[in-house]
Amino acid sequence: NAGVMQNPRHLVRRRGQEARLRCSPMKGHSHVYWYRQLPEEGLKFMVYLQKENIIDESGMPKERFSAEFPKEGPSILRIQQVVRGDSAAYFCASSRDRGDINTGELFFGEGSRLTVL
Amino acid sequence: GESVGLHLPTLSVQEGDNSIINCAYSNSASDYFIWYKQESGKGPQFIIDIRSNMDKRQGQRVTVLLNKTVKHLSLQIAATQPGDSAVYFCAEKFQGGKLIFGQGTELSVKP
Repeated sequence: NAGVMQNPRHLVRRRGQEARLRCSPMKGHSHVYWYRQLPEEGLKFMVYLQKENIIDESGMPKERFSAEFPKEGPSILRIQQVVRGDSAAYFCASSRDRGDINTGELFFGEGSRLTVL
Repeated sequence: GESVGLHLPTLSVQEGDNSIINCAYSNSASDYFIWYKQESGKGPQFIIDIRSNMDKRQGQRVTVLLNKTVKHLSLQIAATQPGDSAVYFCAEKFQGGKLIFGQGTELSVKP
């Protein structure tokens, strides 16, 4: 019974390149959340998606960042023209139901660590 | 604005002692407060949660206390073990499932 799967676990990009981070939610989960964690800091909400829909993107930077969760396949967090400040760990979490009608338990993946040179 | 913060960034305890990790929050709109444990290089792991209409909830070796009057949340770990060493985050859950995390407290257990 696999948990939330994220890949790649580590990604190195040069400034100006694109980064694509993938997240496969737990089986039966249709709600996906992306969080960013800078070193020595807590996780910051970025975006909440349900299959084919963006529900809440209030934490997404207005430029260069985008997210999708297609009908088939994993959720993708895409960062265009990366800069050094994008270096962070990006975590994906999933839940079966809407997050506000069940308990607080979101299941997190192990994260993707992006390093921008 | 919204914020969930922790009083102490680090906590060192002796193995077998009880640990208490504190958290202050400023926004009372949430129905749920949650504690997560994050080990080095891993994702956050759910420990325990508490509804806003409760003031105490117990799990296995862990207890969460909620004081809404002073907007304070605490996590108590009984008989702390080396495997409890990690960073602990409190989080406040908002409508739609979005979590607002605190900065974190690093718990170090000395053998």
